[in-house]
Amino acid sequence: AQSVTQLGSHVSVSEGALVLLRCNYSSSVPPYLFWYVQYPNQGLQLLLKYTTGATLVKGINGFEAEFKKSETSFHLTKPSAHMSDAAEYFCAVRQTSYDKVIFGPGTSLSVIP
Amino acid sequence: NAGVTQTPKFQVLKTGQSMTLQCAQDMNHNSMYWYRQDPGMGLRLIYYSASEGTTDKGEVPNGYNVSRLNKREFSLRLESAAPSQTSVYFCASSGTGGAHQETQYFGPGTRLLVL
Repeated sequence: AQSVTQLGSHVSVSEGALVLLRCNYSSSVPPYLFWYVQYPNQGLQLLLKYTTGATLVKGINGFEAEFKKSETSFHLTKPSAHMSDAAEYFCAVRQTSYDKVIFGPGTSLSVIP
Repeated sequence: NAGVTQTPKFQVLKTGQSMTLQCAQDMNHNSMYWYRQDPGMGLRLIYYSASEGTTDKGEVPNGYNVSRLNKREFSLRLESAAPSQTSVYFCASSGTGGAHQETQYFGPGTRLLVL
């Protein structure tokens, strides 16, 4: 069965510092991988996704993530945090032959001025 | 485009009452989903519909029923609400084929409190 783990339910960074949010997955086949962001009192929106091809994926708002098959990881990074990045971030995985997406528990990102 | 819309935004129910959460999408997507979001648990899939006329159980279907009324609309019904169903409910949709087939688009959510 697929599963997604996100290390750290809450991460705090200073404005301008590196953002690193960790995601590991278990899947029997190479999966589709996603990062979604949820701002307060809103639904989720897609930040970036990996399906096939280049393992370094760039998304919106300066975020990127790298698919590492050997480590079963898909960590999210941003070189310089901005106050507007404060939100909840969800990693998700989907097997290619099914419609269902499995979400991780989420990481709440705080940005300190 | 409105994307995915949900009604109502907020609802308070008493234990045992019933209600239906409505969801509609205007993106001509085949697949639609209902999730619940609880603190520290991420999103858990309640039911999904891979195409018009089909529905399947997700991870936490007990206490819920769904109807895929047509390609646009997917409703979630609580027949007899329980306090354990207090949560935020999200509807989502995804297309098949093309660049966005794997991306899910989410509605703004319905906050439900069961007393």
